[in-house]
Amino acid sequence: SQTIHQWPATLVQPVGSPLSLECTVEGTSNPNLYWYRQAAGRGLQLLFYSVGIGQISSEVPQNLSASRPQDRQFILSSKKLLLSDSGFYLCAWSVFPGETQYFGPGTRLLVL
Amino acid sequence: AQKITQTQPGMFVQEKEAVTLDCTYDTSDPSYGLFWYKQPSSGEMIFLIYQGSYDQQNATEGRYSLNFQKARKSANLVISASQLGDSAMYFCAIEGEKLTFGTGTRLTIIP
Repeated sequence: SQTIHQWPATLVQPVGSPLSLECTVEGTSNPNLYWYRQAAGRGLQLLFYSVGIGQISSEVPQNLSASRPQDRQFILSSKKLLLSDSGFYLCAWSVFPGETQYFGPGTRLLVL
Repeated sequence: AQKITQTQPGMFVQEKEAVTLDCTYDTSDPSYGLFWYKQPSSGEMIFLIYQGSYDQQNATEGRYSLNFQKARKSANLVISASQLGDSAMYFCAIEGEKLTFGTGTRLTIIP
C-alpha cells in the first residue's frame, strides 16, 4: 500500500531564516505531487505541483520554491522566511492529475 | 475556472443523528469529479468519498453518502448515525487540472 511521509511535524523558525520541508511517497511510482498551505481556520491553497522529476508548476508567486530531486521526493524551500509563511503545509499525491489526492500528516510552521 | 462554495462555517449535531453538509459548485467542464475530505484536529486530510459527474448513482462509502444533484450543482455529504469521532472540518473539492477546495465546515458532534 502507498504511504506518504512529511517532516518535520512542527517547526518554529525566525523571520529571515531558510526553510526546507520534505515529503516522500512510498509504494507507488511516478506520482503526481502537490504542496498546499492552509492558514489557520482557512481552506487549502495549492502552492506547487509536479508531474515528474524536475517538473514543477507554481500556482502562487511568492518567496517559496519547490524541487523534485527524485521520483517520490518533493521538497518545499525558502531562502528567507516571512511572518506570512506561517501555516500548515500539506503534501499530497495522486496517480493522475485531477484524481483523488492522498495527503500526508502535514507540517505546522510558525515563523516568529 | 472551478469554484466550490460551502455555506455552513459550523454545525452542531446530536450524536447518532444524521447530518448533511452542503456543497455547491460551479464549473464549465462537461466532465468533472467531486470529493469530500475530513480534517480532524490532527490536521491530516482524509479522503472520504468521490462522485463523478457522469456516475448514474450517488456514491456511498459506509456511513458516508453523497447527495449529488447535477442540475442544482450541489454535492452534499450525508453522514448517517453520527459519532463523536466525526467531529472535524469537512472540505468539498472539485476536480479540474487541480483540486479546488471549499472553505470547509466545522462539524461538532454533541454527546
